[in-house]
Amino acid sequence: ILNVEQSPQSLHVQEGDSTNFTCSFPSSNFYALHWYRWETAKSPEALFVMTLNGDEKKKGRISATLNTKEGYSYLYIKGSQPEDSATYLCAFTTRGGFKTIFGAGTRLFVKA
Amino acid sequence: EAQVTQNPRYLITVTGKKLTVTCSQNMNHEYMSWYRQDPGLGLRQIYYSMNVEVTDKGDVPEGYKVSRKEKRNFPLILESPSPNQTSLYFCASSHPPGQHYEQYFGPGTRLTVT
Repeated sequence: ILNVEQSPQSLHVQEGDSTNFTCSFPSSNFYALHWYRWETAKSPEALFVMTLNGDEKKKGRISATLNTKEGYSYLYIKGSQPEDSATYLCAFTTRGGFKTIFGAGTRLFVKA
Repeated sequence: EAQVTQNPRYLITVTGKKLTVTCSQNMNHEYMSWYRQDPGLGLRQIYYSMNVEVTDKGDVPEGYKVSRKEKRNFPLILESPSPNQTSLYFCASSHPPGQHYEQYFGPGTRLTVT
């Protein structure tokens, strides 16, 4: 059974804090690792897709890294702002069949 | 505007009454997928399609059917809905894995089966 684990489940930080979350996934049969941002009452929006071991992606204050050999990815947010409050989802895509398995998400609350 | 649309957005129905949730995308994406979202479980893939007439099961396909007769449309069919199919459903589309492979999600369909 393929499983994607995200930690922590939720996180409360102050405005200006930097934070990071972890996504663990099976290291076998790997094709791609995705990060999505999901605000309440909206649809998930793609942040990053990474396919190669050692990949690093950055978008403004948010960045992500990928380690396919040990099966983990980190998402970093530098200088958190209240508008960063959302659920951050990671998803793992398998090679061949291209099934996509999502983690349960990390819920981030940023207090002004 | 590039988008994924779903209809209906909200639906309350009764056990056993067949229903279809439509999904359409205007981005010429080959890859389309259906997910359901339940509290504490995250998004779970129901079915996906890699192109017209090519569909495959995700993790939770039981009780659902799909079809992909045209590239832009990927309807989700519940032949005999049951209360355990009460959920929030999302359709998503993307280019094939390997080409700008971000998935674009529709607005969601909240289904209640009584």
